[in-house]
Amino acid sequence: EAGVAQSPRYKIIEKRQSVAFWCNPISGHATLYWYQQILGQGPKLLIQFQNNGVVDDSQLPKDRFSAERLKGVDSTLKIQPAKLEDSAVYLCASSLVAGSTEAFFGQGTRLTVV
Amino acid sequence: SQELEQSPQSLIVQEGKNLTINCTSSKTLYGLYWYKQKYGEGLIFLMMLQKGGEEKSHEKITAKLDEKKQQSSLHITASQPSHAGIYLCGADGDSGYALNFGKGTSLLVTP
Repeated sequence: EAGVAQSPRYKIIEKRQSVAFWCNPISGHATLYWYQQILGQGPKLLIQFQNNGVVDDSQLPKDRFSAERLKGVDSTLKIQPAKLEDSAVYLCASSLVAGSTEAFFGQGTRLTVV
Repeated sequence: SQELEQSPQSLIVQEGKNLTINCTSSKTLYGLYWYKQKYGEGLIFLMMLQKGGEEKSHEKITAKLDEKKQQSSLHITASQPSHAGIYLCGADGDSGYALNFGKGTSLLVTP
């Protein structure tokens, strides 16, 4: 079974530039999550999708971050414009259903904003 | 909102030694997950605990959820260099389903 795929693995951009991350979840997984993990901290949920609908985006900085999950499969997370404090690993995860179930994580995208 | 506190923050042990990592929640845990993260990579699922008093083992790793369901421990027996990484506990969040995570425990196993 293929895992959660993320790209790119690494990205370096200058502040005020824009960047986009892509995630392809495990086939058949209805729930998709984007997490932000700052160095030395645990992952923090940015947004949760159930199929192509948003379940929770309460911690997403909506003035600069946006995410979509068209057709309920792949998802993209965009930052525009980026700030220095956005430097982090962005993790995508998926699970078969929402609830007490195992979430599978991708390798993450390491973003450095200079 | 729920807070998860992990201790210790970091750990260096000699190969072959046993170790324990703790995760304490500010609220009752309804689902507690342990993940392992290798540096710079994604999270790998280890175990899930739901019932008070529950204990699960996989190879040399044992996790327990206490009766009051506010604390979990992860115990590694006879540690090996392959056990090195960051151990994260996660719990079902207030939103309903997405996991909240602790800050993680960094483990280094020396020869």
